Amino acid sequence: NAGVTQTPKFQVLKTGQSMTLQCAQDMNHNSMYWYRQDPGMGLRLIYYSASEGTTDKGEVPNGYNVSRLNKREFSLRLESAAPSQTSVYFCASSEANEQYFGPGTRLTVT
Amino acid sequence: DAKTTQPPSMDCAEGRAANLPCNHSTISGNEYVYWYRQIHSQGPQYIIHGLKNNETNEMASLIITEDRKSSTLILPHATLRDTAVYYCIVRVRGNTPLVFGKGTRLSVIA
Repeated sequence: NAGVTQTPKFQVLKTGQSMTLQCAQDMNHNSMYWYRQDPGMGLRLIYYSASEGTTDKGEVPNGYNVSRLNKREFSLRLESAAPSQTSVYFCASSEANEQYFGPGTRLTVT
Repeated sequence: DAKTTQPPSMDCAEGRAANLPCNHSTISGNEYVYWYRQIHSQGPQYIIHGLKNNETNEMASLIITEDRKSSTLILPHATLRDTAVYYCIVRVRGNTPLVFGKGTRLSVIA
């Protein structure tokens, strides 16, 4: 099992550009999450999906949209990137108690 | 979710036990104590969780005080690979999102 995979690993965008971060899990989990982590800080929740077909805002949803494409995949879209969105983005999935995290996408917006 | 308080950093000699404290004085009766760690810039990794009894697994032990207002994560024989940021999180059991603080940066020293 690959667990949680994220693409791309690194990305540099210019202000105003758009992009989609991809996340997939092969553990048949119902719940999936997107977090961001700024330097020296803990992770903050952007959006989550409790089950296929549902999404909910987290602590910092502004500037982002999400799509739960199917049970396996949960994508995060930046429609118009801003320098404040420079961060490391982590996707996670869970069933019951334990959350499993992907390796992260390191995004720089110039 | 209840908030937690952790020391920002700790050192531990290799081979010795690492004891990481966490205060959660406002924890509710249905909230569990979870521990995750983040090695370098990888995605967080689940370690252990508990409600009120002490718990042990292959990675660590969790000691929760009788009044449940604080807990200690114990790594019995710390190695250099245990150098990481350790997060103590209190939450209800299930698929709710995690709320991360800044955690404790543990440095294991040879």
